[in-house]
Amino acid sequence: SQKIEQNSEALNIQEGKTATLTCNYTNYSPAYLQWYRQDPGRGPVFLLLIRENEKEKRKERLKVTFDTTLKQSLFHITASQPADSATYLCALVKGTGTASKLTFGTGTRLQVTL
Amino acid sequence: DAGITQSPRHKVTETGTPVTLRCHQTENHRYMYWYRQDPGHGLRLIHYSYGVKDTDKGEVSDGYSVSRSKTEDFLLTLESATSSQTSVYFCATGPGLATVDTQYFGPGTRLTVL
Repeated sequence: SQKIEQNSEALNIQEGKTATLTCNYTNYSPAYLQWYRQDPGRGPVFLLLIRENEKEKRKERLKVTFDTTLKQSLFHITASQPADSATYLCALVKGTGTASKLTFGTGTRLQVTL
Repeated sequence: DAGITQSPRHKVTETGTPVTLRCHQTENHRYMYWYRQDPGHGLRLIHYSYGVKDTDKGEVSDGYSVSRSKTEDFLLTLESATSSQTSVYFCATGPGLATVDTQYFGPGTRLTVL
């Protein structure tokens, strides 16, 4: 069956370091992948979308890679700050046209400490 | 939250009672979605709409129905609530297809079924 895996254990990192979060998937061939941020008690907020032919996408301190051979996406936050502490969700696009939908991973909680 | 409101924000109800959750958007987005979020499962799609009166099932649609009579409103109904439907429910909207566009999430509704 199709599966999206994100590390369920929290990632603890020191301020200023680079945080790297992993999203692995099986039995999927998504052409698009999205990353969201979710703070406690709030809805997810979109961060980045990457297409299968883009390999890498950047936005300010964020970088996403998409390796369709490894079936993996990596999400990097450089120069991390305590305000980056949140849960990060990856989502794969399934289906086409009006039937296209997002399937989410369970998320990885990032804790950035001083 | 891109002009998305959900009501009620919190609800406690008893098993067997009907429950309706409302999502209202002011963005004129074509696509609307209902998700539930549970520990260990992440966000799972219940139903979605790709236009007024156009709806379809998601991954976990059993026990739920939806209606969309206006662009701005998307209702989720639990005909006879069960304890397994205790969850946090998120509405999301999108201007375009999930393949190319982000989804904007509401603040969520916490539903407890006793």
